[in-house]
Amino acid sequence: EPEVTQTPSHQVTQMGQEVILRCVPISNHLYFYWYRQILGQKVEFLVSFYNNEISEKSEIFDDQFSVERPDGSNFTLKIRSTKLEDSAMYFCASSSGTGGGEQYFGPGTRLTVT
Amino acid sequence: QQQVKQSPQSLIVQKGGISIINCAYENTAFDYFPWYQQFPGKGPALLIAIRPDVSEKKEGRFTISFNKSAKQFSLHIMDSQPGDSATYFCAALDNYGQNFVFGPGTRLSVLP
Repeated sequence: EPEVTQTPSHQVTQMGQEVILRCVPISNHLYFYWYRQILGQKVEFLVSFYNNEISEKSEIFDDQFSVERPDGSNFTLKIRSTKLEDSAMYFCASSSGTGGGEQYFGPGTRLTVT
Repeated sequence: QQQVKQSPQSLIVQKGGISIINCAYENTAFDYFPWYQQFPGKGPALLIAIRPDVSEKKEGRFTISFNKSAKQFSLHIMDSQPGDSATYFCAALDNYGQNFVFGPGTRLSVLP
């Protein structure tokens, strides 16, 4: 069964450093998403991406964040100048369409900023 | 208005019992309501979803009940099993956007 994969599973970085979280969405999906989940809290939407551009983003997704689809398979989230409060699980998701298309989540990357 | 409220925060059920988790929303533009199951250290996994044109959807032991006028929907897990112990999130998606709004989650523990 096709699945969304994410690397690394755990990333430790120092405050102020840049990190890139990587995702490989399901191959025939066209819509890609990043979500964040701070430990013990709810899942929060960050950004959606379609046709090589951001289609929607939340207030959390400020200038510190950027997304990219560098090739036909990867979808990345870059966090510049990380802060302690960026420590969270970051989930990538993909879907085949909008209007409630089922979103499939990856296993997540645990980001720890020290 | 973009919030989805969820209750209870935690739930303990005996094996074989019925687990019921409730969600409520305000935004009438929401038109797709999935439930996600999340095990510790894993990503949310789609469990079952419903659209407002039906009042109930059943898949195996899992049933969503939807009350459009009350803007509420609930997840029922029949014959609950210890393997169902997880955190359950309701979510909602509006017909304009692509982002889910998640409820705060319910931690379910099914005792053997």
